[in-house]
Amino acid sequence: QKEVEQDPGPLSVPEGAIVSLNCTYSNSAFQYFMWYRQYSRKGPELLMYTYSSGNKEDGRFTAQVDKSSKYISLFIRDSQPSDSATYLCAMRDSGTYKYIFGTGTRLKVLA
Amino acid sequence: EPEVTQTPSHQVTQMGQEVILRCVPISNHLYFYWYRQILGQKVEFLVSFYNNEISEKSEIFDDQFSVERPDGSNFTLKIRSTKLEDSAMYFCASTPEYTDTQYFGPGTRLTVL
Repeated sequence: QKEVEQDPGPLSVPEGAIVSLNCTYSNSAFQYFMWYRQYSRKGPELLMYTYSSGNKEDGRFTAQVDKSSKYISLFIRDSQPSDSATYLCAMRDSGTYKYIFGTGTRLKVLA
Repeated sequence: EPEVTQTPSHQVTQMGQEVILRCVPISNHLYFYWYRQILGQKVEFLVSFYNNEISEKSEIFDDQFSVERPDGSNFTLKIRSTKLEDSAMYFCASTPEYTDTQYFGPGTRLTVL
């Protein structure tokens, strides 16, 4: 079983839709969770990070962590064509800054 | 807005040659990282660096790899004898302190022939 699993997509949605992106993980020691956005041929850009179970909201983005299920989600409200990118989850445990990334989900928001 | 820069954007080399990838982190940042991303695969941690020392490294970061901060602005990744499987995007990142807020550069695409 891979440490971090992420559906590669592509996920196509109409403009204005709510998007749900997810990662599952196997290592119960992971405590710190990040979401990155990566445009084609660019470096990852940090969107959100969370350190505990529950929700964290920032503008149109909401990150959700369910440690009991080893499952994290990123919700994008009112999606825009400019949100079209690959979304990466990343996580680590408390004793290290070695991040384990998911493979990324490619999102296409259609105008 | 300050940003991490990397040069070159694309490097082509022959197998067995040495390459040096260069990064200029954001000026007041103290922690530096290298990652690689093989085409179509996930981003992989290589090494973190602080106070002129390696803080952590992954299993990928073997004796063929080295990092250096030769002056107050540059941070380099050297691959001594490149292999075909070293072909990937290499990303540099930096943080002002040991936090999760990493700022990534645009990457260097390394092609080993």
